[in-house]
Amino acid sequence: GENVEQHPSTLSVQEGDSAVIKCTYSDSASNYFPWYKQELGKRPQLIIDIRSNVGEKKDQRIAVTLNKTAKHFSLHITETQPEDSAVYFCAFQTGANNLFFGTGTRLTVIP
Amino acid sequence: NAGVMQNPRHLVRRRGQEARLRCSPMKGHSHVYWYRQLPEEGLKFMVYLQKENIIDESGMPKERFSAEFPKEGPSILRIQQVVRGDSAAYFCASSGRAANTGELFFGEGSRLTVL
Repeated sequence: GENVEQHPSTLSVQEGDSAVIKCTYSDSASNYFPWYKQELGKRPQLIIDIRSNVGEKKDQRIAVTLNKTAKHFSLHITETQPEDSAVYFCAFQTGANNLFFGTGTRLTVIP
Repeated sequence: NAGVMQNPRHLVRRRGQEARLRCSPMKGHSHVYWYRQLPEEGLKFMVYLQKENIIDESGMPKERFSAEFPKEGPSILRIQQVVRGDSAAYFCASSGRAANTGELFFGEGSRLTVL
């Protein structure tokens, strides 16, 4: 079946430092890779996505990189702030046009 | 434009009862996805539907679970003869296009507790 591994499961950083979360996927045909943020008790929300025709995408303090050969992609958050504390999920699209999610990374930004 | 609406937000059932969870997608969206989230865990894909059709139900348990998305009205996730292991948050998401071409918008979730 479809599989995506996400690491680390928990991550604590000091405010202002960078955070990196990595995911490895199984379906080599995938071409869409979004990242979702879920605050405690809230719904997941899309924060950034990338398609396989590009290797990197940035949006202010958030960036995503994709290595299709190695089948992994990463989320980078720079200059972290307390409001970045949440659970982050990577996902990848399958051939059936649905999304499979990683197991999540709980990020804690320490003021 | 209202977002994805799920109800009930909280549902308590005793073992053996039925649970019905409803999801109204965003206006104009015809793709609906259901995910289950256990406490402190990730989002597990259950089923993907378009109007009147089940596209992919590979994540649905073979027994007791069913889903529909009729021509009129919300999508329904139905769990028959609930057991304690069914306790979880069930999230619905919708998209105007297939997931690989458009963002999924999630509802606030329905939290099922089985006593």
